[in-house]
Amino acid sequence: ETGVTQSPTHLIKTRGQQVTLRCSSQSGHNTVSWYQQALGQGPQFIFQYYREEENGRGNFPPRFSGLQFPNYSSELNVNALELDDSALYLCASSPGLRDNEQFFGPGTRLTVL
Amino acid sequence: QQPVQSPQAVILREGEDAVINCSSSKALYSVHWYRQKHGEAPVFLMILLKGGEQKGHEKISASFNEKKQQSSLYLTASQLSYSGTYFCGTEQGQGAQKLVFGQGTRLTINP
Repeated sequence: ETGVTQSPTHLIKTRGQQVTLRCSSQSGHNTVSWYQQALGQGPQFIFQYYREEENGRGNFPPRFSGLQFPNYSSELNVNALELDDSALYLCASSPGLRDNEQFFGPGTRLTVL
Repeated sequence: QQPVQSPQAVILREGEDAVINCSSSKALYSVHWYRQKHGEAPVFLMILLKGGEQKGHEKISASFNEKKQQSSLYLTASQLSYSGTYFCGTEQGQGAQKLVFGQGTRLTINP
């Protein structure tokens, strides 16, 4: 059973650029959540996708957008990057919406200069 | 509303016990506990649901006081491998899985 994978591992961008982060969910999981984790902080919920539909969003601006594909893999897109977007971006998959543990990927470390 | 964890950090000797607390100002449906080691992804420890159901690893114990909107994680006879940062994630509505995580409790176990 393959776990949650994310790519790339690290990324350096400059202010104003756009970035796409990718996540492959664990086999059999139809729900993917994305989190932003700043250094020394807990993960902050960005949004969640369930069966290709957005199923809730945290307190992030519209320049953070996402997609989920028929194979349940997912993308996080961030436009007009700001310095404060520098963080570890984690995706987590789960086998459904109800009372399930979330399996986290190793994350993508984004640095915005 | 972000839950508040206490203590922020704790240092133990191997074999000692620790309690990590998580408190919310809002009514909760569930509390999730994760441990994250430096440079690694968070790893699931336990879910505590409103009504008393729990899911998690056998060696981990925790409590959930729904009225007080509080949860505690109990680590007994700590091992070196328990070191890491512990996060509680709270969920206000069933079926949401939209976890709001606390700021974390850093646990260091020394030999």
